[in-house]
Amino acid sequence: AQKVTQAQTEISVVEKEDVTLDCVYETRDTTYYLFWYKQPPSGELVFLIRRNSFDEQNEISGRYSWNFQKSTSSFNFTITASQVVDSAVYFCALSGDNTDKLIFGTGTRLQVFP
Amino acid sequence: NAGVTQTPKFRVLKTGQSMTLLCAQDMNHEYMYWYRQDPGMGLRLIHYSVGEGTTAKGEVPDGYNVSRLKKQNFLLGLESAAPSQTSVYFCASRNPGTYTDTQYFGPGTRLTVL
Repeated sequence: AQKVTQAQTEISVVEKEDVTLDCVYETRDTTYYLFWYKQPPSGELVFLIRRNSFDEQNEISGRYSWNFQKSTSSFNFTITASQVVDSAVYFCALSGDNTDKLIFGTGTRLQVFP
Repeated sequence: NAGVTQTPKFRVLKTGQSMTLLCAQDMNHEYMYWYRQDPGMGLRLIHYSVGEGTTAKGEVPDGYNVSRLKKQNFLLGLESAAPSQTSVYFCASRNPGTYTDTQYFGPGTRLTVL
């Protein structure tokens, strides 16, 4: 069965701190895809990144970076120099090779205080 | 290009009433999905469709029906609403096999069943 675990329910930081959101996944598929979505207080879901299982290169996009490690089945997300606008719930999700469905983690609520 | 839109944004029902949620996408995507989001549980898939005229069950289909008569629309119906169906409902669409193959979400519908 496929499963995504986000063990951190809530994280609070002060602006300019770095913060890492953890994501651990389980799957038996050899080909799979990992995603991160952001849900700001307004409620919409914003796509951040999609990574396939054959690409273990870390990715950086501005203040955001992602660390994919198949050896530990983790796909962690780091925000560098956090800002108040980063306050949101962040979801990690997984989809398999032959499935069309996204399996979501329970989310991590990030609060960035000024 | 509006992306994925959902109608209505908010709705309050009494137990036993019926209603239909409408999802529309203007990206010519083949696949469409309905999720529900409950506190502490992330998003869970209700039903999905891989093309016009097709539907399939997701993780939590009981109490819901869907129809995909037109490619751009995906309807979610509640025949006899129950308080357990109080939730935020998200629709998503996706074009598989493309470079941007990911699910894009609508803004959500907040449903309360009294």
